[in-house]
Amino acid sequence: NAGVTQTPKFQVLKTGQSMTLQCAQDMNHNSMYWYRQDPGMGLRLIYYSASEGTTDKGEVPNGYNVSRLNKREFSLRLESAAPSQTSVYFCASSQRLATGELFFGEGSRLTVL
Amino acid sequence: GDSVTQMEGPVTLSEEAFLTINCTYTATGYPSLFWYVQYPGEGLQLLLKATKADDKGSNKGFEATYRKETTSFHLEKGSVQVSDSAVYFCALSEGGGSNYKLTFGKGTLLTVNP
Repeated sequence: NAGVTQTPKFQVLKTGQSMTLQCAQDMNHNSMYWYRQDPGMGLRLIYYSASEGTTDKGEVPNGYNVSRLNKREFSLRLESAAPSQTSVYFCASSQRLATGELFFGEGSRLTVL
Repeated sequence: GDSVTQMEGPVTLSEEAFLTINCTYTATGYPSLFWYVQYPGEGLQLLLKATKADDKGSNKGFEATYRKETTSFHLEKGSVQVSDSAVYFCALSEGGGSNYKLTFGKGTLLTVNP
């Protein structure tokens, strides 16, 4: 039972480089999310997708873009990485929006030098 | 706006001690409330939930009661184990459609010593 799978698990980038974090879920969920977790800040929502074909900004969307490729997959792209984007990124999914019952991936630790 | 405030950690207990992690919230309507747990090196997992006032959520020996009069949702366990060592997050969910929001507290680190 894979649940929510994120790749890569670790990545080091230089300032200005770009990269894409991949996320896939096998639970046939409609809604997917990207969060970042920083010490002392809890989890902050970057973007979410209520259903296939839709995406919306969360609390901290600047510097990021997302693509809901299909029902299973939701990617997060950093076009020009900055040190302030050093964080642990979590993808999550839920049956539908507004349930509050999210299933999380194991996280992707990104360091921007 | 909505907010969740939980007690700052870290919390360190001995095995079999009683655990309370305080959580209070501010919301404009009638939110649902959740506790999530994050074990070292893993993503968050839903631990328990309550969707209306006076509901009690429970799972794995943990309990929390939705208290509307005190806007609280404190997490309790009667006898903690070393395996309960983790970060615990209180969260609230409110709204629907484009107004949907799930707000997390900052987390409380629990360490249980043998």
